[in-house]
Parts: sequence; C-alpha cells; structure tokens
Amino acid sequence: DIQMTQSPSSLSASVGDRVTITCRASQSISTYLNWYQQKPGTAPKLLIYGASTLQSGVPLRFSGSGSGTEFTLTISSLQPEDFATFYCQQSFITPYIFGQGTNLEI
Amino acid sequence: QVQLQESAPGLVKPSETLSLTCSVSGGSISRYYWSWIRQAPGKGLEWIGSFYHSEGTKFNPSLRRRVSISVDTARNQLSLKLRSVTAADTAVYYCARENPISVAGIYFDYWGQGARVTVSS
Repeated sequence: DIQMTQSPSSLSASVGDRVTITCRASQSISTYLNWYQQKPGTAPKLLIYGASTLQSGVPLRFSGSGSGTEFTLTISSLQPEDFATFYCQQSFITPYIFGQGTNLEI
Repeated sequence: QVQLQESAPGLVKPSETLSLTCSVSGGSISRYYWSWIRQAPGKGLEWIGSFYHSEGTKFNPSLRRRVSISVDTARNQLSLKLRSVTAADTAVYYCARENPISVAGIYFDYWGQGARVTVSS
C-alpha cells in the first residue's frame, strides 16, 4: 500500500494567518492527491482534487500544489470557520489511503 | 443535488454481520462508483471498498475477506455487509460518491452524514 504522511499532526494558528500543511506519499502518485476538511461530528468535505483543482464552492483562500511524492495545502488567510482537521488522500492506486490528519486549532 | 443517507443498526454483537444501507437521491446510482469509508473513534479515515454496477467491486485488501458491497439500482441504494465483526470495527461508516478525474484518479465529492456503529456484547 502507498503510505501517506501528513505534517504537522497538529497546528495552532490565528485568524488571518497563512498556513501550510504537507502531505508526503511513500511513492510517486503523480497528481492524484485530494484534500478534505472535516469538522467535529460531520462528514469530510472535499476541498481540492488532482493536487491543485479547487472544488466548486470552496473559497479561493484554499490552494493546493505538488506532484510526485510531496504536496501542500495552503490557506492564505485563516478564517474562524477554517479550524478543523484536514486529510490528504491518494487516488493513484487502490487501496485509497488517507493521511493521518492535521488538526488545525485556534 | 446529490444526497446520501446511511442507515445502520447502531449496535452489533461481536462475531455477527454488520449491515448498512446508503440511499442515494438526486442522481442515479447506476453511474459512478460508490464507496464505503469508515472512521474509528478519534481516528482517521479508512477506505473499505466501492462498487460500480457494470464493473463490480474494489476492496481494501485489509478487509476484503469480510466485506461484500452491492447496489440495488431499483431502490438507488448501496449496501455494505461486514462479517465477523469485532470491537475494532466500531466506527462511523460513511458512504461517498467517487468522481473520476481522468483515466486514473478519483475523488470523493459527495458524502453521507455517517452512521455510528458500535460492536459490543
């Protein structure tokens, strides 16, 4: 299986901050990398697919980049509603594996 | 707007079979792959497997021996059966739609709200 490792596992930040979360794959996955946001008690929400394509309706402050084995999710200016857990997920090959999550706290 | 709604028994005894159903509205279940994904308490997300009515199933090898997934196109429902459950199968179970990106690659764009299942005697 392809292993997905996110860093950091947790992150404290303030409203207005620029935040970057990294996701590393154990082997090259081209750009088959998706990002999700999950708030407590709710289902994950798709933010970015194909490493850099913003899902419809997702604010432009979210962006993704990377290819191969290293990817980043950037939030340009944190808003109060952005505090959540973020997961990356590879779709290069089954089984589809998620990263362990990054908990973004105030 | 596609909507997914899981239903589950809530409590299942060890060694029994867990059965879940996902009702899909706002679109035909005959298109797309449909996946089951679970999340143990306080843990991350684990893909279980998926089904496409004309192509069959894909499974996570870690669960393959205990899992079956099927689709009822008449009812627009997806089903999951997980056999011989243990406490380690306690989780919130989500159904989700797989949307293909191209020849390879998918993303999960629509999710149900999740069904909490506890395995306990």
